[in-house]
Order: sequence, then C-alpha cells, then structure tokens
Amino acid sequence: EAGVAQSPRYKIIEKRQSVAFWCNPISGHATLYWYQQILGQGPKLLIQFQNNGVVDDSQLPKDRFSAERLKGVDSTLKIQPAKLEDSAVYLCASSRQGANTEAFFGQGTRLTVV
Amino acid sequence: TQLLEQSPQFLSIQEGENLTVYCNSSSVFSSLQWYRQEPGEGPVLLVTVVTGGEVKKLKRLTFQFGDARKDSSLHITAAQTGDTGLYLCAGPSGGSYIPTFGRGTSLIVHP
Repeated sequence: EAGVAQSPRYKIIEKRQSVAFWCNPISGHATLYWYQQILGQGPKLLIQFQNNGVVDDSQLPKDRFSAERLKGVDSTLKIQPAKLEDSAVYLCASSRQGANTEAFFGQGTRLTVV
Repeated sequence: TQLLEQSPQFLSIQEGENLTVYCNSSSVFSSLQWYRQEPGEGPVLLVTVVTGGEVKKLKRLTFQFGDARKDSSLHITAAQTGDTGLYLCAGPSGGSYIPTFGRGTSLIVHP
C-alpha cells in the first residue's frame, strides 16, 4: 500500500512570498489532515477534511493560510504571504473514517522563511 | 482544547538502560495514541490504548493507560540506538476524533 505522498520535501522562500504544498493521501482514506510542526514541538492541527468538506479549521490562520481538497482526494495548503514564524515542517496525514483510527503521515515539507 | 503534557522533554541515555516517559492531562480521554517520529519523517503509530488501566506490550515497549484515563506512560526496556526519536502522545480533542498531540519526548540512545 502506497503511503501519504507530499511535495516538495524542502522549500526556502523570502517573507511575504507565497508557497503551496501538495498532499496525496492513501487511497480510500476519507479523512485528511494538515499539521504544522515547529522545531521542538508536537504537530499542531491546521485543518481536517472529511472527503472534500472541512471538519475543523479553527487553528488555521485564515488571513494567510488556505487549503482545499478538490474531489475528496489530493489536497493543497497555501500560505500567502509567508511570515518568518511560518518556518516549520508541514505534515499531511490521512486516515479511514471513525474513532481511534490510525493516522498515516507523509514525510512532510520543511519550509524555511528568510 | 484538551492539553497533553509530556515529560521529560529530553532524555539522553546509554544503550541497555530502561526508561519511562509520561503523558498527562487534566481531562479524560476516550483513548490515547503513542507515535514515534524519526528525524525527517512523519510520526508513526505505535499503539492505541482505550480502556482505563490497560497495559499493552510491543516487544520491549510497554504502554499503560491510567485508570482514570487522564494519563499514560511508555516504558522501554533495554533501550537500543534504534529507539532514538521523538515520542508523541495524542488524544482525540473536544469530543471529535481529531488527534491532538503533546510536545513530545526527544529520546537519544547512545551506543
């Protein structure tokens, strides 16, 4: 079974620039998550999709972050404009629907904003 | 938001030693999960505990869920260098199934 695919693996941009990350979840997984992991901390949920609908985006900074999951499969996360504090690893995860299901994570995209 | 506090934050030990890391909350969780994250990789699920007082063993790793379902521990016996990584606990937040993570315990096992 193929895992969660993310791209790019690394990205360096200047502050105020835009950036987009892509995620392809495991086939058949209805739930998709985007997490932000700052160095030395645990992952923080940004947004959760169930199929192509948003379940929770309460911690997504909506003035600069946006995410979509067209057709309930792939997802993109965009930051516009980026700030220095956005430097982090952005992790995508997917899972089957339901309680206590395992979330499978991609390798993440390491973003550095300079 | 239900917070999960993990301790210690950092742990550096020699191969062969035993260790325990903790995950605590003031809230009751219906379940808790433990993940391990290696550098440059995403977290990988180790175990899910759902019953208060439950003990699960995974080779040299022993996981315990507190009777009141507010805390959990992970004990590693005879640590190996391959155990090096960030150990994260996660629990569903606010009645949903969304896994919310603690800050993690960063473990380094020296040969």
